[in-house]
Amino acid sequence: NAGVTQTPKFRVLKTGQSMTLLCAQDMNHEYMYWYRQDPGMGLRLIHYSVGEGTTAKGEVPDGYNVSRLKKQNFLLGLESAAPSQTSVYFCASLPHADSYEQYFGPGTRLTVT
Amino acid sequence: GDSVTQMEGPVTLSEEAFLTINCTYTATGYPSLFWYVQYPGEGLQLLLKATKADDKGSNKGFEATYRKETTSFHLEKGSVQVSDSAVYFCALSSYGGSQGNLIFGKGTKLSVKP
Repeated sequence: NAGVTQTPKFRVLKTGQSMTLLCAQDMNHEYMYWYRQDPGMGLRLIHYSVGEGTTAKGEVPDGYNVSRLKKQNFLLGLESAAPSQTSVYFCASLPHADSYEQYFGPGTRLTVT
Repeated sequence: GDSVTQMEGPVTLSEEAFLTINCTYTATGYPSLFWYVQYPGEGLQLLLKATKADDKGSNKGFEATYRKETTSFHLEKGSVQVSDSAVYFCALSSYGGSQGNLIFGKGTKLSVKP
């Protein structure tokens, strides 16, 4: 049982490049989330999903897209990376709506130059 | 909207010292409250939670009590260890349409010196 895994762990992009971050969970959780963590800002929700095939915007969705084609995977895409998207990205999952504990992945450190 | 305010760090303590990290919240309704911990280079882990007023969450020697009258959820530990060095996040979740979304404070970095 690997829990929540994220790929890649580190990435450096040039402005304007695109990339996809992959989050995978093997716990059969319904809900999945993408957060970004910036110094002095805590974690802010980018997008989330309440089930396979569904996605919704969080607090800071601009510049990102997501997809949840399979229950166990939640992809975060950057179509045209900007330096403001330099951050640490965390994925999390929640078993169902009545659960309390979100389970976090180890994070992806992204630098956009 | 809902929000969480926690004391700014960093906080530096000597081993066996008493720890308090203050957290207050603003929310409509009756949120659930959480403390998450992030050890260096890792993701966040749930440390403790409280789901209704006057509940006390506890884990690994840490405690926090849900105080509705003061809208607070302060984290305490009687005797910290070097291994407690981490960043601590207070968070809330307002159920009933929020889809389990967490709202985090900005985090408080704790360093414990031997």
